[in-house]
Amino acid sequence: GAVVSQHPSRVICKSGTSVKIECRSLDFQATTMFWYRQFPKQSLMLMATSNEGSKATYEQGVEKDKFLINHASLTLSTLTVTSAHPEDSSFYICSARDPWGVSNQPQHFGDGTRLSIL
Amino acid sequence: AQSVAQPEDQVNVAEGNPLTVKCTYSVSGNPYLFWYVQYPNRGLQFLLKYITGDNLVKGSYGFEAEFNKSQTSFHLKKPSALVSDSALYFCAVRDMNNNAGNMLTFGGGTRLMVKP
Repeated sequence: GAVVSQHPSRVICKSGTSVKIECRSLDFQATTMFWYRQFPKQSLMLMATSNEGSKATYEQGVEKDKFLINHASLTLSTLTVTSAHPEDSSFYICSARDPWGVSNQPQHFGDGTRLSIL
Repeated sequence: AQSVAQPEDQVNVAEGNPLTVKCTYSVSGNPYLFWYVQYPNRGLQFLLKYITGDNLVKGSYGFEAEFNKSQTSFHLKKPSALVSDSALYFCAVRDMNNNAGNMLTFGGGTRLMVKP
């Protein structure tokens, strides 16, 4: 089955640091990946849609310059939280669009990254 | 626009008893419906889906869900709960007529607590 690997699983860093999170599709090519943010005890909020070879599409209210997304290859998308502050602390989850179409699962999820900014 | 509602923040059941986690949806066209489970500090794991066909869908770990078009519901069920089923459950919908790259809309999640 389709596997998505997300790294790192946990990051603790100081305020002002930039943090990069990687999302890789291990056994399939993912032209589209999604980045979500999940607050404690809440649902997933779609932040942006990452398309290989083009600019990401951000959801309303998500700062493009704060959350930089790069999807330079068919198997890797990265989310960089620039100059992170404590309010950026959250659980970030990526997913990759199913390559065989919606008749299977529409998205395959990574295991998430717990980001803690001190 | 599409939306999903999970009316219960938490469901408590005793081990061995049947469980139901509720979900209702709203889409403009025909829905694709999904259930995912999330364990602590993990991503979402796919449980089951409804696309077309039989209204009763069977999925992983003994879970099933019933699609009810008239009530716009897709409740998750299991005949006999296990302590290991304790987790966060998300219902999700995609509008079949929406070509938004497999965009999913998630419900708010329901925490299932199964007590021994």
